[in-house]
Amino acid sequence: DIQMTQSPSSLSASVGDRVTITCQASQDIDNYLNWYQQRPGNAPKLLIYSASNLEAGVPSRFSGSGSGTSFTFTINNLQPEDFATYYCQQSDTVPFTFGPGTKVDVQ
Amino acid sequence: QVPLVESGGGVVQPGKSLRLSCEVSGFTFSSYAMHWVRQPPRKGLEWVAVISFDGTTEKYADFAKGRYTISRDNSKNTLYLDMNNLRPEDTAVFYCVRSFDLLTVWFDHWGPGTLVTVS
Repeated sequence: DIQMTQSPSSLSASVGDRVTITCQASQDIDNYLNWYQQRPGNAPKLLIYSASNLEAGVPSRFSGSGSGTSFTFTINNLQPEDFATYYCQQSDTVPFTFGPGTKVDVQ
Repeated sequence: QVPLVESGGGVVQPGKSLRLSCEVSGFTFSSYAMHWVRQPPRKGLEWVAVISFDGTTEKYADFAKGRYTISRDNSKNTLYLDMNNLRPEDTAVFYCVRSFDLLTVWFDHWGPGTLVTVS
């Protein structure tokens, strides 16, 4: 199985900050990498698919990049509603594993 | 709007069985692959299983093999997950999600989930 790691596991930030999360795959997954946001008590929400494609309706302050085994997710100008947990997920090979998540909370 | 509504969760004793359902509306159910994803309390997301648009192909996470069965009824726009020999570690919120197919996999719509408690 492909193992996904994320760093950091948590971070504290302020409104207006730029936040960067990294995701590493245990083997080459090309660009088969998705990012989700989950607010407490809610279902996850797709933000980025295929490493860098912004899902329809998602604000442009969210972005993703990378390929192969190393990926980056960035939030520019952090907004109050962005405090949440973020997960990467590989969609290259079954099982479609998720990373352990990165919690972004208020500094 | 692409509603997916899961049901069938509840409290069940270890060793028992449970069937989850996911009723879908707002898109052509029979054109999409469907998946189950679970989330144990206060933990991360775990992919469970996928079934192809026509039901001919199923794939499972290792923990689900032999105990879980994913199925679908395209005439009823409904996805199922049959779970047998349940264990306390199966306690989780179960979500159903769609993807275009087995190769183009991202989950653009999620239901509210249904909670399964094995105790």
